[in-house]
Amino acid sequence: AQSVTQPDIHITVSEGASLELRCNYSYGATPYLFWYVQSPGQGLQLLLKYFSGDTLVQGIKGFEAEFKRSQSSFNLRKPSVHWSDAAEYFCAVTSGTYKYIFGTGTRLKVLA
Amino acid sequence: KAGVTQTPRYLIKTRGQQVTLSCSPISGHRSVSWYQQTPGQGLQFLFEYFSETQRNKGNFPGRFSGRQFSNSRSEMNVSTLELGDSALYLCASSGGPQETQYFGPGTRLLVL
Repeated sequence: AQSVTQPDIHITVSEGASLELRCNYSYGATPYLFWYVQSPGQGLQLLLKYFSGDTLVQGIKGFEAEFKRSQSSFNLRKPSVHWSDAAEYFCAVTSGTYKYIFGTGTRLKVLA
Repeated sequence: KAGVTQTPRYLIKTRGQQVTLSCSPISGHRSVSWYQQTPGQGLQFLFEYFSETQRNKGNFPGRFSGRQFSNSRSEMNVSTLELGDSALYLCASSGGPQETQYFGPGTRLLVL
């Protein structure tokens, strides 16, 4: 069955520390992978996406993600977290023409 | 380009009533998807419309329905509202290569 797993429900980091949010997927077809961010009560904002090519993709707000086919992972990273990064982060997968499958989200808390 | 817009942003209804939510996609986008987001179930896919045709459907009861107009605007309707229908309803539009989805701010529905 197709699925996306975000194993960390909550993550707390100090401002200025590095961040890695994990995402594992199970998808039969070649996946298109996405990371979205959601602030409380708001819609989802696209951070970055991977379709093909270079497995390290850069996104907005200083985020990057690396696609590792052998590990079925698409982890999100940021070298130095800012207080404004506190939000919920969703990983999603699609084949490009069908519905998206979202992970359950990781809520990020940033300590001053 | 204007983003995805959803109206209304907030809605309070009582059990048994029906509700209609509206979504205007990004100009030029022909695909509109709807999601229900709740704290317990996360983001769940409702349905997707493309060129006025429902292309994909999630696992929701028939009380949830939608349609898309020739200008790509979409509406979703929920009949006979239940308390459990209280949620944030998100609309996303897509178009162009690989159909990246861009989300609106959502409509928060409270059923009393």
